[in-house]
Amino acid sequence: RKEVEQDPGPFNVPEGATVAFNCTYSNSASQSFFWYRQDCRKEPKLLMSVYSSGNEDGRFTAQLNRASQYISLLIRDSKLSDSATYLCVVQPRAGGSYIPTFGRGTSLIVHP
Amino acid sequence: ETGVTQTPRHLVMGMTNKKSLKCEQHLGHNAMYWYKQSAKKPLELMFVYNFKEQTENNSVPSRFSPECPNSSHLFLHLHTLQPEDSALYLCASSPQGSYNEQFFGPGTRLTVL
Repeated sequence: RKEVEQDPGPFNVPEGATVAFNCTYSNSASQSFFWYRQDCRKEPKLLMSVYSSGNEDGRFTAQLNRASQYISLLIRDSKLSDSATYLCVVQPRAGGSYIPTFGRGTSLIVHP
Repeated sequence: ETGVTQTPRHLVMGMTNKKSLKCEQHLGHNAMYWYKQSAKKPLELMFVYNFKEQTENNSVPSRFSPECPNSSHLFLHLHTLQPEDSALYLCASSPQGSYNEQFFGPGTRLTVL
């Protein structure tokens, strides 16, 4: 089983749609979780951290389910500018250092 | 300059060449990372440095040799690369600790002929 798994998509949705991505991880010792966004031919940038209680930032909601070892990202009222690849990142603690593991990303295409 | 910078942005080299990639961060961070991003594959962590000390080497071939002279600079020395090493090489930095985001540089697009 891969350490961090994401559905690569692409998810092709109209403007205004609600879309959800899931990400599963295999290391139960994982301690911190993030969603990054990567635009075409650009570097990844942090979208939001994922907290145990769940968190929301405008149209974006992230949730963590430790028992089932998955995190999710919900995007409401999709905009054309949301088109990008969304990367799930899991950071277990290993021997005092923090080794981030990235999923392969989920591609989102928002069309008019 | 602010953030994380990388030079060169594009590099084409032959298999017998020796070249170096440079990364510099102006954020006062203590941890720096090298990643490899190939088409249709997840980001692969290559090396991690904390306070100039290498803390992780993720089974990277010896033809890739990192150097971290101080907390702000990170190099990746390349020699006798293979065509399959062609990829986007990303540098990132973060404050030490697992609860912090990473800040990425724009990357170096490497092509090995």
